[in-house]
Amino acid sequence: DVKVTQSSRYLVKRTGEKVFLECVQDMDHENMFWYRQDPGLGLRLIYFSYDVKMKEKGDIPEGYSVSREKKERFSLILESASTNQTSMYLCASSLDSPGEQFFGPGTRLTVL
Amino acid sequence: DQQVKQNSPSLSVQEGRISILNCDYTNSMFDYFLWYKKYPAEGPTFLISISSIKDKNEDGRFTVFLNKSAKHLSLHIVPSQPGDSAVYFCAASVVSNTGKLIFGQGTTLQVKP
Repeated sequence: DVKVTQSSRYLVKRTGEKVFLECVQDMDHENMFWYRQDPGLGLRLIYFSYDVKMKEKGDIPEGYSVSREKKERFSLILESASTNQTSMYLCASSLDSPGEQFFGPGTRLTVL
Repeated sequence: DQQVKQNSPSLSVQEGRISILNCDYTNSMFDYFLWYKKYPAEGPTFLISISSIKDKNEDGRFTVFLNKSAKHLSLHIVPSQPGDSAVYFCAASVVSNTGKLIFGQGTTLQVKP
């Protein structure tokens, strides 16, 4: 079974803090993705990566950056957290394109 | 610009009846479509997919129909069970596009016992 794990289920941060969200997958998948889920807006793609050290912007990259130094790990970074970044963050990975994406359990981030 | 739309935020059906969830898209380049189910406090899980070369795909109680001319797809669940109560997302992609998916807003399905 594919397993995608995220470092925290719940996180509370202060405005202006730098926030790191970590995601690890154990199935040697090439592609990894970061989404945020907000009520009424569905899942929106922040960034994705199709190879180590490769990254591409998704639909809403502003205020975020990513890092992929190893194939299994994809980090999302909020350089200076703001209250409008309070959301559910979901990481996913996939082997093929197109193909099923496997999701982690999500991190509920609250920025105060 | 919402390229994938699920216009019904919620749907309620009786156990044993059919659930029909709908999804519309605007980008004619989309050629692969997926449905995901999401329970609270969990990540979405893949349900069923369909390629644009087909108009129907079936997996047990779940069937997805694709109408390319109308840019519309639907998910049928029959018979519906209380455990099917969840948020359902449709997603679309272009095969050549590194696996990037565009998701709809989601429809919350409630199946009443």
